[in-house]
Amino acid sequence: AAGVIQSPRHLIKEKRETATLKCYPIPRHDTVYWYQQGPGQDPQFLISFYEKMQSDKGSIPDRFSAQQFSDYHSELNMSSLELGDSALYFCASSLGGTRASYEQYFGPGTRLTVT
Amino acid sequence: GDSVTQMEGPVTLSEEAFLTINCTYTATGYPSLFWYVQYPGEGLQLLLKATKADDKGSNKGFEATYRKETTSFHLEKGSVQVSDSAVYFCALVNRDDKIIFGKGTRLHILP
Repeated sequence: AAGVIQSPRHLIKEKRETATLKCYPIPRHDTVYWYQQGPGQDPQFLISFYEKMQSDKGSIPDRFSAQQFSDYHSELNMSSLELGDSALYFCASSLGGTRASYEQYFGPGTRLTVT
Repeated sequence: GDSVTQMEGPVTLSEEAFLTINCTYTATGYPSLFWYVQYPGEGLQLLLKATKADDKGSNKGFEATYRKETTSFHLEKGSVQVSDSAVYFCALVNRDDKIIFGKGTRLHILP
């Protein structure tokens, strides 16, 4: 069965650079969530989209922005990168709305390293 | 605020040992409770869930029972395998529809 696809899987950037992470949800899923997981930490919710509209916002820095496109894929844009942005970024998708209790299917993550 | 507390790891067991990973929660109302597993280099996978008191979630030999009186959702497995080595996250979804994760427990199973 198709799963959530994230690209790239690994990304190395320097401080103050920008990065774009992509997420392709499971086919027919209309809701996308982004999470940040620091080393040895639990995932922290950043932002979510339902039917191409932002549905919820968590601890996403102002330097980050995201959007969901007409084909339901989503991109997380990160600017003015800082060392502390080094983390594993997960995307998850679900069907039918933004209720977090709906089962979320997680992608493998993009490991971002800022040097 | 709402929170999830789970036992710190790493937990190291021998193959075929009995596993318990404790998880307790603080939340208003009746949250849904989940266990996720994260294998090395992979994303989170939903392992099991329970949506109301006394429900028992089970999958792949793992079980957890929603205990409202003790606000707990401990994960158990009768006989662990090397392939169970992973990080396990307890989580809840609260009445504001927010998912809150515990800090994760790393499990090592020795052959």
